[in-house]
Amino acid sequence: EIVLTQSPGTLSLSPGERATLSCRASQSVSSNYITWYQQRPGQAPRLLIYDASSGATGIPDRFSGSGSGTDFTLTISRLEPEDFAVYYCQQYGSSPPTFGQGTKVEIK
Amino acid sequence: EVQVLESGGGLVQPGGSLRLSCVVSEFTFSTYAMSWVRQAPGKGLEWVSTIGGSDGTTYYADSVKGRFTISRDNSKNTLFLQMNSLTAEDTAMYYCATSYNSGWYYFDHWGQGTLVTVSS
Repeated sequence: EIVLTQSPGTLSLSPGERATLSCRASQSVSSNYITWYQQRPGQAPRLLIYDASSGATGIPDRFSGSGSGTDFTLTISRLEPEDFAVYYCQQYGSSPPTFGQGTKVEIK
Repeated sequence: EVQVLESGGGLVQPGGSLRLSCVVSEFTFSTYAMSWVRQAPGKGLEWVSTIGGSDGTTYYADSVKGRFTISRDNSKNTLFLQMNSLTAEDTAMYYCATSYNSGWYYFDHWGQGTLVTVSS
């Protein structure tokens, strides 16, 4: 199975700053089938990005995804207070679908 | 707006069984795959099982294969997860999610989860 490694584990930033989150796969992800989810405390995950770079319905355009092969990035252009949360990447290029361990974006 | 609502979680003894349910509304349920994803306390996300929309093909994580059974009732927009031979390692929040088939599956609409605790 494909192992996804997210870095950093925790990102300490201030509102208004730019956040860059990394997701590295143990092998190439077919067709760049990578999603990103946001999980706020006590809430269910929410789909942000699919197909590595396509925004899900209703997601603000400050969230963007990029990458290919084994290296993928989620960028939050300017952090809003509600963006402080845990972010997970997931690959669905092959079975079983797997998740990264998460990156926590916390207020500095 | 799609609404996903899980139920059926609770406290169960090791070796016991539990059946989770998930009702989906405002959604063409029968044509879409559905999945269960779990999250142990303080941990990350783990895919558990998926069932296809039209053909009902089922898929399981190795960690639950042979113990869990996923099924659906399209007439009632309801998804189920029958969990047998439960162990402490199955303790988690169980999320039901609509699943989009592109490549394999990703999870676009999630419920709020139902908590399963396996303990004596």
